[in-house]
Amino acid sequence: GENVEQHPSTLSVQEGDSAVIKCTYSDSASNYFPWYKQELGKRPQLIIDIRSNVGEKKDQRIAVTLNKTAKHFSLHITETQPEDSAVYFCAAIYSGGGADGLTFGKGTHLIIQP
Amino acid sequence: NAGVTQTPKFQVLKTGQSMTLQCAQDMNHNSMYWYRQDPGMGLRLIYYSASEGTTDKGEVPNGYNVSRLNKREFSLRLESAAPSQTSVYFCASSDLSRWETQYFGPGTRLLVL
Repeated sequence: GENVEQHPSTLSVQEGDSAVIKCTYSDSASNYFPWYKQELGKRPQLIIDIRSNVGEKKDQRIAVTLNKTAKHFSLHITETQPEDSAVYFCAAIYSGGGADGLTFGKGTHLIIQP
Repeated sequence: NAGVTQTPKFQVLKTGQSMTLQCAQDMNHNSMYWYRQDPGMGLRLIYYSASEGTTDKGEVPNGYNVSRLNKREFSLRLESAAPSQTSVYFCASSDLSRWETQYFGPGTRLLVL
């Protein structure tokens, strides 16, 4: 089955700086890579996703890049703000075989220092 | 639309007790999922239901059973709770056309003493 590794487990950055979270996956068949943000005590919420036919995707201050050859993908947050403080999870799945569960990384606790 | 709802929000059980966690969605989604979240472990799939009438095991199914009651509802049952089942349980759902995009409920915090 799929295995997703996520680094770092904790990331502290100054407000206004950029943050990068990295994930690697093991199954070369995986073709869908979502990122979820989870605030303390809340549900995970999808913030951005990327499919394997695309190398990069942006949505305002967040972007995701994918390197299929190396089997890794990254979340980039620019101009970080206090409300970006949360736990971020990456996930991977093969979307061509019918409904199945996502395989998640263990999460990154992002701390934005004022 | 309420999206995905879960009951109860919080529950304390004694070892050996049983309980059922309820999940419902009002988005007319075909697929539904149960995950558990433990500190430092991310979310792990317990069971899922690709469509009404079908259920399949995920990564960590031992100690759990599920029922897809109808298209809207998917319940998770602990027959004999153990302290190792202390966790936060999230239900999720997804549409048939984009089943990989999953929407989560607010979670149920379960403490087994």
